[in-house]
Amino acid sequence: EIVMTQSPATLSVSPGERATLSCRASQSISTNLAWYQQKPGQAPRLLIYGASTRANGIPARFSGSGSGTQFTLTISSLQSEDFAIYYCQQYSNWLTFGGGTKVDIK
Amino acid sequence: QLQLQGSGPGLVKPSETLSLTCTVSGGSISSIGYYWAWVRQPPGKGLEWIGSIYYSGSTDYNPSLKSRVTMSVDTSKNQFSLKLRSATAADTAVYFCARRDSSAWFLDSWGQGTLVTVSS
Repeated sequence: EIVMTQSPATLSVSPGERATLSCRASQSISTNLAWYQQKPGQAPRLLIYGASTRANGIPARFSGSGSGTQFTLTISSLQSEDFAIYYCQQYSNWLTFGGGTKVDIK
Repeated sequence: QLQLQGSGPGLVKPSETLSLTCTVSGGSISSIGYYWAWVRQPPGKGLEWIGSIYYSGSTDYNPSLKSRVTMSVDTSKNQFSLKLRSATAADTAVYFCARRDSSAWFLDSWGQGTLVTVSS
């Protein structure tokens, strides 16, 4: 099983600032990586797939990068609606999720 | 717009079978290029993929749950279903149904989630 590790567990950011979230795979997954946003009481929402392609309707302030084992999700200027938990998910070998990064208000 | 709606009992007794159904609207479950998936989330914890099914009945299951999971599809009702046998308290979770791309296994559309508690 490919293990996905996200860091940090919690990221405190002020509105308008940049947030950088990391995701590491236990073995190379090429660019078979997706990012999701989840707000309390809601289902996850797909943000990014293929490591860097934004899903339909996702604002340009969300960007993804990386390949192999190291990946990054960047939110260029945090808006109030962006405070949430973010999960990465690999799909190189079956489907596994990282443990999540909570982005909260500083 | 595609919508997925999960339904089923919110309480299951230990050792019994957890059964859920997801109804798809705004699109066909027989669409080429998509599988239909179940993902669960224990309270306060992360996400775990359970398995996926194609409209033809082809399935893929999480190896850690495979011995207890059966998924099925009813194209006439635009529904797919999950059965998880021998439930324990560890199966208490919010269960999400979702749509999965057939070639790249990301999940691009999700239902709202159904809380299932396993308790006597």
